[in-house]
Amino acid sequence: AQSVTQLGSHVSVSEGALVLLRCNYSSSVPPYLFWYVQYPNQGLQLLLKYTSAATLVKGINGFEAEFKKSETSFHLTKPSAHMSDAAEYFCAGGYQKVTFGTGTKLQVIP
Amino acid sequence: DVKVTQSSRYLVKRTGEKVFLECVQDMDHENMFWYRQDPGLGLRLIYFSYDVKMKEKGDIPEGYSVSREKKERFSLILESASTNQTSMYLCASTFREGGNTQYFGPGTRLTVL
Repeated sequence: AQSVTQLGSHVSVSEGALVLLRCNYSSSVPPYLFWYVQYPNQGLQLLLKYTSAATLVKGINGFEAEFKKSETSFHLTKPSAHMSDAAEYFCAGGYQKVTFGTGTKLQVIP
Repeated sequence: DVKVTQSSRYLVKRTGEKVFLECVQDMDHENMFWYRQDPGLGLRLIYFSYDVKMKEKGDIPEGYSVSREKKERFSLILESASTNQTSMYLCASTFREGGNTQYFGPGTRLTVL
């Protein structure tokens, strides 16, 4: 069975600091990986996705993620956090049916 | 703009009631999904439909059923609502091919008293 693991249910960073949200996937997950973001009282929206074209994937709002097969990881980063980045982030993987991680809530401290 | 709409943002029902949650998408997507979102558990797939009248159980189908009579509409049915079905329900849709973005509705927060 495929699985996606997000380390840390809550992450706090200062405004302007590096954001690093961790995601590991099981080797049985096909090579389609996603990061979605959920703002309060909204549905999820796509931040970025990996579909084997390039290992470094750039997304919206300055986020990027690097696919590392040897580490089975797909960590999400942003060089400088902004207050508007406060949200819940979900890593997901799969083909037609997608398995979601348990989510990481990002708090940005002014 | 892709639009996925859900019939209610908030719903309060009583134990034992039959509950219908409706989802409509306007992008001619083949695949539609119903998820349940609970704190600390992320999103869990209840049911998945890959075509009209076709459905497949997800990870937590017990206590739920679905209906897809038209391509754009996917309904989730709670035959006899129970308090442990209090949750946020999210609908999503996408094209059939793997690797496509799922587009989500705003969610329905269901409370069963």
